[in-house]
Amino acid sequence: KAGVTQTPRYLIKTRGQQVTLSCSPISGHRSVSWYQQTPGQGLQFLFEYFSETQRNKGNFPGRFSGRQFSNSRSEMNVSTLELGDSALYLCASSLVRTSGTYEQYFGPGTRLTVT
Amino acid sequence: QKEVEQDPGPLSVPEGAIVSLNCTYSNSAFQYFMWYRQYSRKGPELLMYTYSSGNKEDGRFTAQVDKSSKYISLFIRDSQPSDSATYLCAMKGGTNAGKSTFGDGTTLTVKP
Repeated sequence: KAGVTQTPRYLIKTRGQQVTLSCSPISGHRSVSWYQQTPGQGLQFLFEYFSETQRNKGNFPGRFSGRQFSNSRSEMNVSTLELGDSALYLCASSLVRTSGTYEQYFGPGTRLTVT
Repeated sequence: QKEVEQDPGPLSVPEGAIVSLNCTYSNSAFQYFMWYRQYSRKGPELLMYTYSSGNKEDGRFTAQVDKSSKYISLFIRDSQPSDSATYLCAMKGGTNAGKSTFGDGTTLTVKP
């Protein structure tokens, strides 16, 4: 089956601009989470969406927002970009099976560079 | 002080060795504990997902959680060169139950 896809894979933006990143989860997965990974701060949780509702949120400013559509695809938006927003943005889709087994798969990420 | 501290490494072992990767944490509300493997230029891969204290085994991997000591470990038996990667511990639970907090990662190299 197809994995988690993220578009675009690479992006270069200028300070002050805004950016929208897209994530398509694995078919049947209704939960999508977003993460930021940088060399200095490591991997940090941004937010999680389930059935179009934000279920959990990390400690990021309001410039970071997201949404989920009825087909479970998700987008995240960063407004008023800062140099420190340069990072690898990862999304993951997950599912808890009726057996109780938890599955989670990450996409390859979007590498955002802010100049 | 960080909520999750991970042994920094890097770690270099010969093929076939037993590898021990460790994390400590300070938040007693954490209930779910994960280990991820991340190859260079790839997204993380969930290796182990455990709830509360105890051991969980999956092939060559064993995860241990000791909530009383706030200490978790991942053991890799018969390590292979293909295990060379960065390993991240993560945990979640409490009031913001779905928010995962990650360690900084340990880079492992298994030499043939």
